[in-house]
Amino acid sequence: QVQLQQSGPGLVKPSQTLSLTCAISGDSVSSNSANWNWIRQSPSRGLEWLGRTYYRSKWYKDYAEPVKSRITITPDTSKNQLSLQLNSVTPEDTAVYYCARLIGSPGKYYFDYWGQGTLVTVSS
Amino acid sequence: SSELTQDPAVSVALGQTVRITCQGDSLRSFYASWYQQKPGQAPLLVIYGGNNRPSGIPDRFSGSRSGTTASLTITGAQAEDEADYCCGSRDSSGLWLFGGGTKLTVL
Repeated sequence: QVQLQQSGPGLVKPSQTLSLTCAISGDSVSSNSANWNWIRQSPSRGLEWLGRTYYRSKWYKDYAEPVKSRITITPDTSKNQLSLQLNSVTPEDTAVYYCARLIGSPGKYYFDYWGQGTLVTVSS
Repeated sequence: SSELTQDPAVSVALGQTVRITCQGDSLRSFYASWYQQKPGQAPLLVIYGGNNRPSGIPDRFSGSRSGTTASLTITGAQAEDEADYCCGSRDSSGLWLFGGGTKLTVL
C-alpha cells in the first residue's frame, strides 16, 4: 500500500518561497514506472497540475507553463521523498497542495495515490 | 485546445442514472481518468484507462469515450455519491490537464 505523507508550513508571506515535502512509503521515488507530481487546488482554479519528476535511467522534470519560471521539484532518494519549491509567491498561490503518484501505460495514465493535502495561505 | 471542459453542476434522483461528461481534444488520443472528491478530502480515483475501476470502487461507476468526449456514468446513484467529479488526461505535449469539475447533487 502506497502512502504519501506531506509536510510543510501552512502560511507563507508574499514574495517568499513555498516549500513542501512528500514522504513516500510503499514505493520508491526512483521507481521506473511511476511519476511523482505536485498538484494544487483552489476554488477559483480547481485542480491544477504543477509539475512532476520521474526516473528513467536518469531524472526528468516537467513543469506547467504558468509556474515554470518559479517552480522546482526535487527528488531525495536518501529519504525517499520529493519536495516542492515555489518562489515569489503571491496571494494567488493560496491553495491546497497535493503530491500524487502517476502511473499507467501509454494512453492510460492516472493518479492512483494522493497525499493528504496541505492548505498553504499566502498572506502577510 | 489544451483544456478539458465539464459542466459545473449536475443533479440526479436517488437510484437513477447520471452521466458526467468531459470534453477536450486530448481525449481523442488519451483516455481520461476520473476523480471523486468530497469536502475536506483528497481526490479519489474512480475510473482509469477508459473503463477500469480501482479495487473498492463500486461497479455502478463506469466510463466511456466517444471522439473528444469522455463520460463517467453512475448507474443507480446513491446518497454517498454526492461529490465533485473531475476528469484528467495527458495533453499532446505529455503534460497533464484537469477539467474544471462537476458538482453532483443526489436528490
